[in-house]
Amino acid sequence: DIQMTQSPSTLSASVGDRVTITCRASQSISSWLAWYQLKPGKAPKLLIYKASTLESGVPSRFSGSGSGTEFTLTISSLQPDDFATYYCQQYNSYPVGFGQGTKVEIK
Amino acid sequence: QVHLVQSGAEVKKPGASVKVSCKASGYTFSNYAMQWVRQAPGQRLEWMGWINAGNGDTRFSQKFQDRVTLTRDKSASTAYMELSSLRSEDTAVYYCARGIWVAGPLPYYFDFWGQGTLVTVSS
Repeated sequence: DIQMTQSPSTLSASVGDRVTITCRASQSISSWLAWYQLKPGKAPKLLIYKASTLESGVPSRFSGSGSGTEFTLTISSLQPDDFATYYCQQYNSYPVGFGQGTKVEIK
Repeated sequence: QVHLVQSGAEVKKPGASVKVSCKASGYTFSNYAMQWVRQAPGQRLEWMGWINAGNGDTRFSQKFQDRVTLTRDKSASTAYMELSSLRSEDTAVYYCARGIWVAGPLPYYFDFWGQGTLVTVSS
């Protein structure tokens, strides 16, 4: 199985900060990577798919990059609505796997 | 717009079964695979399996294949996940999600999710 590892596990930041989250795969997954935002009690939200394609309706302050084994999610200017937990997911092969999550907290 | 609405929270005893429903609206139900993902407290998201809402084909994570049953009712645009032989470690929020198929044998990513159903397993 492909292992997905995110860093950091927790990130403290202020409104307006640039935030970067890293996701590493234990073997190459080409560009078959998605990013999701989770908030307690709400439906998870797809942000990015195919490593860098922004899902329709997602603000342009979110961006994704990378290929192979190393990927990043960047929020260019953190907004109050962005405080949440973020997960990467590989869909290169079964079983589908997720990172352990990165919680973005208010500094 | 697409909506996935799940059934309410459940409390079950060890050894029992639970069945969670996921009602879809806003798209052609039969054209997509419905995925099931769970998240136990403090754990990462965990993919369980999918059902092709059109033809009923299924695929499961090896971890769950002996205990999970996925079904759907096309007339009601509703998918169901039943997990049997429950144990305390199955306490989790269970999500349904619409799967987007990319190509060939590749798995799916998930573009719309339900709100989650908390299943608590406790004696």
